[in-house]
Amino acid sequence: ETGVTQSPTHLIKTRGQQVTLRCSSQSGHNTVSWYQQALGQGPQFIFQYYREEENGRGNFPPRFSGLQFPNYSSELNVNALELDDSALYLCASKGIDGSYNEQFFGPGTRLTVL
Amino acid sequence: QKEVEQNSGPLSVPEGAIASLNCTYSDRVSQSFFWYRQYSGKSPELIMSIYSNGDKEDGRFTAQLNKASQYVSLLIRDSQPSDSATYLCAVRITGGGNKLTFGTGTQLKVEL
Repeated sequence: ETGVTQSPTHLIKTRGQQVTLRCSSQSGHNTVSWYQQALGQGPQFIFQYYREEENGRGNFPPRFSGLQFPNYSSELNVNALELDDSALYLCASKGIDGSYNEQFFGPGTRLTVL
Repeated sequence: QKEVEQNSGPLSVPEGAIASLNCTYSDRVSQSFFWYRQYSGKSPELIMSIYSNGDKEDGRFTAQLNKASQYVSLLIRDSQPSDSATYLCAVRITGGGNKLTFGTGTQLKVEL
């Protein structure tokens, strides 16, 4: 049990639309990271939020944005969807009993852009 | 050169054999190393972490780290069909916060 949950499980959108994905952690840890995993690839770091502020960003355009709330749950927003945005989106946080160094992934949201 | 490299496989081993998965990384300030297992259609699951040179054992799994050679490996003893999955190597560098850099993964197939 990682204690990290994500919603929705699956999502289908069309090009140009906007999408919001959600993540929460039972541990209530103050840091959450988001990753994009395209088919056949390893996860790619999108950004990290620490105490409601973006604190590190990977090589993703500004149309990828996020929020972290006072309860440390988080959202990933993607505007102007493109076909290449089709991927598994993962959030990661400290586990319930894990060390600070270890990160655990939620089940992911599978986004399909048509 | 990719930051984290893995052989994509598939690596096929017979049931009961030792599976050896390898990973090399380019950044010498890499600090923490992780192995994740990912079943098809599922999210990655953390199975091992290692921070110091040498071996770390957990059940049938052994992680090996050699920072001088920039090499980390995962050994799976007594391989079972349920071990068939993609194994992802991940690295975190000093000063990189929680950012993990992943390889593309090695697909392992354990055959009966």
